[in-house]
Amino acid sequence: DIQMTQSPSSLSASVGDRVTITCRASQSISTFLNWYQQKPGKAPKLLIHAASSLQSGVPSRFSGSGSGTDFTLTISSLQPEDFATYYCQQTYRTPLTFGQGTKVEIK
Amino acid sequence: EVQLEESGGGLVQPGGSLRLSCAASGFTFSSYWMNWVRQPPGKGLEWVANIKQDGSEKYYVDSVRGRFTISRDNAKNSLFLQMNSLRDDDTAVYFCARGEGSNSYNDYWGQGTLVTVSS
Repeated sequence: DIQMTQSPSSLSASVGDRVTITCRASQSISTFLNWYQQKPGKAPKLLIHAASSLQSGVPSRFSGSGSGTDFTLTISSLQPEDFATYYCQQTYRTPLTFGQGTKVEIK
Repeated sequence: EVQLEESGGGLVQPGGSLRLSCAASGFTFSSYWMNWVRQPPGKGLEWVANIKQDGSEKYYVDSVRGRFTISRDNAKNSLFLQMNSLRDDDTAVYFCARGEGSNSYNDYWGQGTLVTVSS
């Protein structure tokens, strides 16, 4: 199975901060990498697919980059509604696997 | 508007069975792969299974293979997950999610249904 490792597991940031979350795959997955946002008690929401494609309706402050084994999700200016948990997911090979999540908290 | 609504969750004893359903609307159900993803209380997401548009291909995570069966009824726009030999560690919220291909993203998700396995 392909293991996905996110870092950090949690972070504290202020409104307006630039936030970067990384995701590393245990083997090359090309750009078969997606990012989701999840708020407590809610379903995950797709933010980025194919490593860098912004899902329709998602604010442009979210961006993704990377290929192979190393990927990044960046929030250019953190907004109050962005405090949530973020997950990466590889869809290169089944079983499709998620990272353990990164919780973004208010500083 | 795309909508996915899960049902069928509840409390079941270890070793028991449960069948989850996911009712889809607002899109051509028969044109999409469909997935089940679960989330144990307070923990992260785990992909469980997916199924091709016509049901001819199905894939499972190792921990459920042989115990769970994914299926679909395109005439009724419905996705199912038959869960047998349930274990304590199957306790989770189960989400159905639409897939943009066998190895692509999940763009729409239901709100989930809670399965609790406990004696």
